[in-house]
Amino acid sequence: AQSVTQLDSHVSVSEGTPVLLRCNYSSSYSPSLFWYVQHPNKGLQLLLKYTSAATLVKGINGFEAEFKKSETSFHLTKPSAHMSDAAEYFCVVSDGNTGFQKLVFGTGTRLLVSP
Amino acid sequence: GAGVSQSPSNKVTEKGKDVELRCDPISGHTALYWYRQSLGQGLEFLIYFQGNSAPDKSGLPSDRFSAERTGGSVSTLTIQRTQQEDSAVYLCASSPQGLVYEQYFGPGTRLTVT
Repeated sequence: AQSVTQLDSHVSVSEGTPVLLRCNYSSSYSPSLFWYVQHPNKGLQLLLKYTSAATLVKGINGFEAEFKKSETSFHLTKPSAHMSDAAEYFCVVSDGNTGFQKLVFGTGTRLLVSP
Repeated sequence: GAGVSQSPSNKVTEKGKDVELRCDPISGHTALYWYRQSLGQGLEFLIYFQGNSAPDKSGLPSDRFSAERTGGSVSTLTIQRTQQEDSAVYLCASSPQGLVYEQYFGPGTRLTVT
């Protein structure tokens, strides 16, 4: 079965400093991986996705993630945090072996951004 | 264009009562998904619809949970004889058919069972 592990439940950064949210996955075959963001009282929004094309994936709002098969990782980064980035971030793997996009979510990382 | 909508946004019910949660997907999206987000279990898949049929109901936690979809559009998630552990945010998502398409999520229904 597919799974993802988000290594940090909370990450605190200062505005203007880099962001690193860590995610490791477990998959028996080549996975599709996603990062979703959830702002308070808002719906989930897709940040970026990896589907076996380029290993460095660029998403919205300056975020990017690198798929590293040797490390089974898909960490999310951003060079410079903004206050508006404060939210909960979910690393997600798609269990495509089911024939549809069955999403398996990590437990989430809450990003706190201080001025 | 209009996104995925869900109603009600909040629902408070007494233990033992039945509740119905509604999802209106994006027009033309043939795939529809229900998820549950709770403090204890995180975000978990419940059920998937392709058109009006549900090929995968594996995430429904008990036989008190059921869902249907009519006309390939609106879906209803029904929870019978609600229990306190059913308290959660229920999220609906829709997408075009296919593994490569993004799922678009609605704002959710917050269910509180007292």
